[in-house]
Amino acid sequence: NAGVTQTPKFRVLKTGQSMTLLCAQDMNHEYMYWYRQDPGMGLRLIHYSVGEGTTAKGEVPDGYNVSRLKKQNFLLGLESAAPSQTSVYFCASSRGSANTEAFFGQGTRLTVV
Amino acid sequence: AQSVAQPEDQVNVAEGNPLTVKCTYSVSGNPYLFWYVQYPNRGLQFLLKYITGDNLVKGSYGFEAEFNKSQTSFHLKKPSALVSDSALYFCAVRANAGNNRKLIWGLGTSLAVNP
Repeated sequence: NAGVTQTPKFRVLKTGQSMTLLCAQDMNHEYMYWYRQDPGMGLRLIHYSVGEGTTAKGEVPDGYNVSRLKKQNFLLGLESAAPSQTSVYFCASSRGSANTEAFFGQGTRLTVV
Repeated sequence: AQSVAQPEDQVNVAEGNPLTVKCTYSVSGNPYLFWYVQYPNRGLQFLLKYITGDNLVKGSYGFEAEFNKSQTSFHLKKPSALVSDSALYFCAVRANAGNNRKLIWGLGTSLAVNP
């Protein structure tokens, strides 16, 4: 039972490079989320999706794009990486109800130099 | 505005002693409340939640939390701490009605349990 799987686990990018983070869940969850975690700032929501083919902006969407072409996958793209995007990125998924808990992946540690 | 406060950045407790990690919230209407734990270099794991009913909620690993509506608090507790409980703990809240139902996160409390 894999749950939520993120790839890659670590990545170093040069400023201006692009990359895509992949999140896959095998729990048939409707909702998926991308967060970033920075010291002293807790978790901040980047983008989220309430179902296949839908995406929405969170608190800090600038510089990121997402796609949810399949229900089980949620991709986070950085078109032109900046040092300010150095962070740990977490994907999560949940059922559609507001009272349900989220399941998190193990995170991707991204460094932009 | 909706918010969650975890007033202590760090909590230190001796192994075997009871522990409390505090959380207070501000939300319109009745809340759904959650606690998550994050071990080093890992993702967050769900511990417990309050939806409705009994104010005392029991969760994973012997943790429990008490919902106090008058004090707008949802403190996490454990009767006897283990060294393995050392981790980062996050409280989160979501309104159960209305237009703004996003999940609001606290900044986390680092728990250190000393042998």
